Amino acid sequence: DQQVKQNSPSLSVQEGRISILNCDYTNSMFDYFLWYKKYPAEGPTFLISISSIKDKNEDGRFTVFLNKSAKHLSLHIVPSQPGDSAVYFCAASGDFGNEKLTFGTGTRLTIIP
Amino acid sequence: DTGVSQNPRHKITKRGQNVTFRCDPISEHNRLYWYRQTLGQGPEFLTYFQNEAQLEKSRLLSDRFSAERPKGSFSTLEIQRTEQGDSAMYLCASSLEVPEAFFGQGTRLTVV
Repeated sequence: DQQVKQNSPSLSVQEGRISILNCDYTNSMFDYFLWYKKYPAEGPTFLISISSIKDKNEDGRFTVFLNKSAKHLSLHIVPSQPGDSAVYFCAASGDFGNEKLTFGTGTRLTIIP
Repeated sequence: DTGVSQNPRHKITKRGQNVTFRCDPISEHNRLYWYRQTLGQGPEFLTYFQNEAQLEKSRLLSDRFSAERPKGSFSTLEIQRTEQGDSAMYLCASSLEVPEAFFGQGTRLTVV
C-alpha cells in the first residue's frame, strides 16, 4: 500500500524554465510534508517542508504547495538550473511523536542546458 | 564535518554471513532513524531511537535485524545470516524531534 505516490518517474525541463514535481498521498493522518533531493551514491538532502496548516512555503527558488482537500502537493523550482538534476523524493510524517518519514518512489528531474 | 556519518560506505558479503553498520548522528540530535532503500524505491522506515530507547520497529525488520544505540550516541544495525534480498542501501538519519531529518551517505550492502 503506497501511501505517498509520485506518479511521474521522470521529468525533463529546459534550463531557466519552471520545474513542477507532483506528489499525492492517501493517509489523512499525515501532518507534515517534505521534499528531499538525492544525487547518485549519496543520501537524501532535505530541501523544503510544509506543515498541514499551511498551503504554501517558499525558500529561494523552491516553493512547495499543499492542497489538503485533494491530498496533493507540488514542488516548484524556478528558474531551473543544471545542478537541480537529481531524483526528488516527496515524504510525509505524522504529528509530534510520530516523525518517521513515508517516502514516495521519486521523480528523476533532468535539466536540459 | 558535523553531518551524519555512516560506515562502511560499501559492504560485500557472502550469503549467511553477519554484517554490522555504524551511524554517527549529528551530535545534538536525540532522534536517530534507520531506513532501507532498494532500486527504484524511496527509502523505507526500519526503526528509530529517541536517545537510547528504540521506540518503533517496522515489520520490515525481521528477527535477523537488530539495532542499538548505546548511551544515545552512535547506533549500529546488525543483520544476521544475510540473504540476497537484504542487498540495499541502508540509510541513517538524525533529527531534533522535528520531521526534518538529515541523512548520511548510506551503506550499500551487496549479498552474493
